[in-house]
Amino acid sequence: DAKTTQPPSMDCAEGRAANLPCNHSTISGNEYVYWYRQIHSQGPQYIIHGLKNNETNEMASLIITEDRKSSTLILPHATLRDTAVYYCIVRVGGANNLFFGTGTRLTVIP
Amino acid sequence: GAVVSQHPSRVICKSGTSVKIECRSLDFQATTMFWYRQFPKQSLMLMATSNEGSKATYEQGVEKDKFLINHASLTLSTLTVTSAHPEDSSFYICSAVRDMNTEAFFGQGTRLTVV
Repeated sequence: DAKTTQPPSMDCAEGRAANLPCNHSTISGNEYVYWYRQIHSQGPQYIIHGLKNNETNEMASLIITEDRKSSTLILPHATLRDTAVYYCIVRVGGANNLFFGTGTRLTVIP
Repeated sequence: GAVVSQHPSRVICKSGTSVKIECRSLDFQATTMFWYRQFPKQSLMLMATSNEGSKATYEQGVEKDKFLINHASLTLSTLTVTSAHPEDSSFYICSAVRDMNTEAFFGQGTRLTVV
């Protein structure tokens, strides 16, 4: 799986959009970008994934650059419950053995 | 989303004893389950891949005789930490997939403390 690089930590004001970047410059054509988050002392939670096109669901939006070398996860209106470690993972479609990097610790501030 | 349940959520055991952790997919059949370990302030590390009805595949550096994995049915995988020692104290997490083209769903984790 391609390596990803994320900033170790970010702060976001409650109610504002949280934009979490991820670099995956060595991603190959058949690798998807997945985002998970882990709230303290819980198992990870799936957020969203995409291959080339931007994606949106009830939790977040995923913006993938045209060259696919980076992406941004957007939480449109961050709440205190969004405080968590966010992991960006790239993996080949059909493979669910996930290799987690260090992630970004997002702190939503009241 | 689908529900994956782990039991117990917390366990304390004495050094030298064995501990079994269960991972159940409650509303779907999981052909494959994965076991992870997470030490404090670190990321999740994949330990093994468990396929129903066959032997688990272990990641490099994970002792298969110490971490016994059984995936006897499509809804249950178990991880047994044998002869546990304090250094095995960790947060153990499982995940399950319906099929290989869907996202993985994670259990809530089991915090093991060996004293």
